Amino acid sequence: DVKVTQSSRYLVKRTGEKVFLECVQDMDHENMFWYRQDPGLGLRLIYFSYDVKMKEKGDIPEGYSVSREKKERFSLILESASTNQTSMYLCASSLRGVIVPYNEQFFGPGTRLTVL
Amino acid sequence: AQSVAQPEDQVKVAEGNPLTVKCTYSVSGNPYLFWYVQYPNRGLQFLLKYITGDNLVKGSYGFEAEFNKSQTSFHLKKPSALVSDSALYFCAVRSSNTGKLIFGQGTTLQVKP
Repeated sequence: DVKVTQSSRYLVKRTGEKVFLECVQDMDHENMFWYRQDPGLGLRLIYFSYDVKMKEKGDIPEGYSVSREKKERFSLILESASTNQTSMYLCASSLRGVIVPYNEQFFGPGTRLTVL
Repeated sequence: AQSVAQPEDQVKVAEGNPLTVKCTYSVSGNPYLFWYVQYPNRGLQFLLKYITGDNLVKGSYGFEAEFNKSQTSFHLKKPSALVSDSALYFCAVRSSNTGKLIFGQGTTLQVKP
């Protein structure tokens, strides 16, 4: 089974702090994604990566950055946390899929971040 | 604009009854459709997907979904609901043009004993 792990289930930070959320997948997937989940808004894509050292902005990248130095690890960085970044953060991975390009994404358990 | 709509915030059914969770979409190009389920305090789990072919797709845990191109819908169904099916369900569409997944806002399914 694909396993996607996230470094913390719950995190509490203060406004202005730099926050790192880590995600690791063990199935050699090329694609990795960061979403935030808010009630009534579903999942919104923050950033994604198709390969090591590659990154693409999603729908709501403002206030976030990412890092992908190794294939299995994708980090989300909040440079200066703000209260409106309090949310559930979900990491996902998928095969790039040349033959079957529309592979499903596998999700981690999520990190519930509270910014005070 | 590309979008996915789940018109019901909540669906309530009695155990043993059939259930339907609705999803409609709007995309340019061919739609590639997915359903995910999220149990409390857990990440999303993949249920099923429609890429091409038969309009009725069968997935995990006895769920199925019907793709209807003329109505731009992809409703999730199950013939006989279980209490353990109670969860948050997300519909998503991947546009062949952008390659990104667009999620609906989610529907909470409550199955009562």
